[in-house]
Amino acid sequence: DIQMTQSPSSLSASVGDRVTITCRASQVINNYLAWFQQKPGKAPKSLIYTASSLQSGVPSRFSGSGSGTDFTLTISNLQPEDFGTYYCQQYNSYPLTFGGGTKVEIK
Amino acid sequence: QVQLVQSGTEVKKPGASVKVSCKASGYTFTNYGVNWVRQAPGQGLEWMGWISPYTGNTNYPQKLQGRVTLTTDTSTATAYMELGTLRSDDTAVYYCARDRPATVGSDYWGQGTLVTVSS
Repeated sequence: DIQMTQSPSSLSASVGDRVTITCRASQVINNYLAWFQQKPGKAPKSLIYTASSLQSGVPSRFSGSGSGTDFTLTISNLQPEDFGTYYCQQYNSYPLTFGGGTKVEIK
Repeated sequence: QVQLVQSGTEVKKPGASVKVSCKASGYTFTNYGVNWVRQAPGQGLEWMGWISPYTGNTNYPQKLQGRVTLTTDTSTATAYMELGTLRSDDTAVYYCARDRPATVGSDYWGQGTLVTVSS
């Protein structure tokens, strides 16, 4: 199975900050990497697919980058509604696997 | 608009089975796969399996092989997840998600179904 390692596990940032979350895969995943945002009591929401493509309707302050095994989610100009937990997921091969999550709090 | 509407909360005893439904609308059901993902209280996301409504092909994680069964009813655009021999650590919120492998991935999700396993 492909292991997905996310860091940090939590962070606190101010409105307007630039936030970076990293995700490392235990083997090459051919950019089949997705990012999700989850708010308490809600279903995950897809933000990014194929490492850098923005899902329809997602604000442009969210961006994804990376290749091979190392990937990054960046939130530029952090907004109050961006609180929640962010997960990466590889969908290059089964079983699909998720990172452990990064909890983002707004200062 | 794309919607996935799941069945309601379930409470089951250890050893029982549960069947959760996921009714799709707003798109051609057979053009996308369906992933099932669960989340235990306070924990992360765990993939439970994938099914193609078009072919009926399935893929399960080894950990759940033999306990989970995914099916679909194309006449009603509904996907089902059945989990057997329930244990207390199966207590979780279960989600379905529309999926297109190798492209957009899991882009739309159901609202989740809480399954509680307790004696």
